[in-house]
Amino acid sequence: DTEVTQTPKHLVMGMTNKKSLKCEQHMGHRAMYWYKQKAKKPPELMFVYSYEKLSINESVPSRFSPECPNSSLLNLHLHALQPEDSALYLCASSQGNRDRGLDEQFFGPGTRLTVL
Amino acid sequence: GQSLEQPSEVTAVEGAIVQINCTYQTSGFYGLSWYQQHDGGAPTFLSYNALDGLEETGRFSSFLSRSDSYGYLLLQELQMKDSASYFCAVRFGGYQKVTFGTGTKLQVIP
Repeated sequence: DTEVTQTPKHLVMGMTNKKSLKCEQHMGHRAMYWYKQKAKKPPELMFVYSYEKLSINESVPSRFSPECPNSSLLNLHLHALQPEDSALYLCASSQGNRDRGLDEQFFGPGTRLTVL
Repeated sequence: GQSLEQPSEVTAVEGAIVQINCTYQTSGFYGLSWYQQHDGGAPTFLSYNALDGLEETGRFSSFLSRSDSYGYLLLQELQMKDSASYFCAVRFGGYQKVTFGTGTKLQVIP
């Protein structure tokens, strides 16, 4: 199974709502990532979990809160978002190699988020 | 900071060869990867260079020169399905930090 799944596929929320994005992989990967991607732009790294510990937070506003309940699951909790947060949110996983070898990332299909 | 620059758009003819360049102003990274992303789809891995030189994977090849701060992706025997966006990306060790290039939208025409 080389698949990363994400739910929901689409999400529309108001600025006062609280919602969560979910990501799951069963490849035994030890690194998991959240990216934000705006139209015609590259994926922009938000968070990295390495061996279930938050290792990178790219100065993301606190209205985004990541959680890694176990090595297969990754959540992104959303609260009090702004319209400019509307984007495609991609989850990815990788083996978590810490040497110079390949550490291929496998991406999920993403959640298309619209904030009204 | 890290920056990886790519041409924004490239157009090429079906059956031809196209080269997508990636120039960077960063150092200390472990390797250069290439990803393909079709409109509405997720990025998928294409190729990786840990060392300088050419790596070949079927119709795709990738090249890295750290001394020139430069890499490229070469696509041969272009097919219509190769129309997509292509991103270079560098990985920094230790904490899995990955930075993507600005992206190149490739259009393959008949």
